[in-house]
Amino acid sequence: AQKVTQAQTEISVVEKEDVTLDCVYETRDTTYYLFWYKQPPSGELVFLIRRNSFDEQNEISGRYSWNFQKSTSSFNFTITASQVVDSAVYFCAFGAGRDDKIIFGKGTRLHILP
Amino acid sequence: GAVVSQHPSRVICKSGTSVKIECRSLDFQATTMFWYRQFPKQSLMLMATSNEGSKATYEQGVEKDKFLINHASLTLSTLTVTSAHPEDSSFYICSARQGFGQETQYFGPGTRLLVL
Repeated sequence: AQKVTQAQTEISVVEKEDVTLDCVYETRDTTYYLFWYKQPPSGELVFLIRRNSFDEQNEISGRYSWNFQKSTSSFNFTITASQVVDSAVYFCAFGAGRDDKIIFGKGTRLHILP
Repeated sequence: GAVVSQHPSRVICKSGTSVKIECRSLDFQATTMFWYRQFPKQSLMLMATSNEGSKATYEQGVEKDKFLINHASLTLSTLTVTSAHPEDSSFYICSARQGFGQETQYFGPGTRLLVL
């Protein structure tokens, strides 16, 4: 069975610090996709990234970067020089094969303190 | 990017009434739409998957007679919570996908339902 684990329930850091959100997945599929979504207090989910299992290249987008390592089944997300506006719940999600479904992790609530 | 809207954004109703929530893809045709429910401080749980013109596929434990889903066009899906009860109070989120398989899902802003 597929599973997504976000072990960090809640994290608080001071503004400008770097922070890494962990995501570990379990699957027997060889083809799958990983996602990160941000959910600010307003509730709307914001798509951040989608990665397929064949592309292990790390990705950087501004202050955001993602480290995908199949060897450890992890897809971690790092925010560099965090800002108060980064405060939100971040969900890691997994999708595989012909199955249309996306399985969400339980989310990590990130507090950036001024 | 792709935009998905939901209406209403917030609804309060009395126990026993039915509530309809609309989900629209504004700038693309959505082959598939998904309905999720999120209780406070919890993750999103998939309720059902609907493909345009066919019956929705419900997840285990979701009552299809209580949560009626209609996907009549490529840009509109509706979720009707029939005979709502306080335990149905939740945040309902739809998502829409243009293609098949693992194309990116784009999420609506959600609808907060409070049943008194």
